[in-house]
Amino acid sequence: NAGVTQTPKFRVLKTGQSMTLLCAQDMNHEYMYWYRQDPGMGLRLIHYSVGEGTTAKGEVPDGYNVSRLKKQNFLLGLESAAPSQTSVYFCASRQVANTEAFFGQGTRLTVV
Amino acid sequence: ILNVEQSPQSLHVQEGDSTNFTCSFPSSNFYALHWYRWETAKSPEALFVMTLNGDEKKKGRISATLNTKEGYSYLYIKGSQPEDSATYLCALHGSARQLTFGSGTQLTVLP
Repeated sequence: NAGVTQTPKFRVLKTGQSMTLLCAQDMNHEYMYWYRQDPGMGLRLIHYSVGEGTTAKGEVPDGYNVSRLKKQNFLLGLESAAPSQTSVYFCASRQVANTEAFFGQGTRLTVV
Repeated sequence: ILNVEQSPQSLHVQEGDSTNFTCSFPSSNFYALHWYRWETAKSPEALFVMTLNGDEKKKGRISATLNTKEGYSYLYIKGSQPEDSATYLCALHGSARQLTFGSGTQLTVLP
């Protein structure tokens, strides 16, 4: 079982470049989330989606955009990368109701 | 922004000690409370999902309680082992269906 898969696992960007991180889940989950992990700050919610075609802002949405055109995929875009976006990004998904979240393996992004 | 707070930030205990951590959250925005275990270089894995006031859950030596009226949850580890060393995260499933995490408690169990 693949579960939640994030692509790519590592990336180095130059300031101002754009990129898209892909999160794919094969569990038919409704809810999907993007988080960033920074030292001492736990997981901070960037954007989330409660179903295909829907997205909502989390705690730290500025500088990011998302799309959920297909239920199984949740894309996180950086239009113009900044060094402050250097972080480890985690995607998670869960079914509706009171169920646990399943996480991808993380994407380590460095913006120079 | 939901304010989910965890304490302590870090904890060192001796093997065999029992320990507990606290997660506090806004009780007015409660839908469910999650606990996750996060080992270095891995992804977080779920321990418990709790919804009812007074809920108690147990998995082996780890247990958790929930008080939704006052907005807190405790995680207990009985007889800590070195393999329990990890960061323990709580997360609030709020009314807008977001899942907001606290900053975690980093536990180190010394042999």
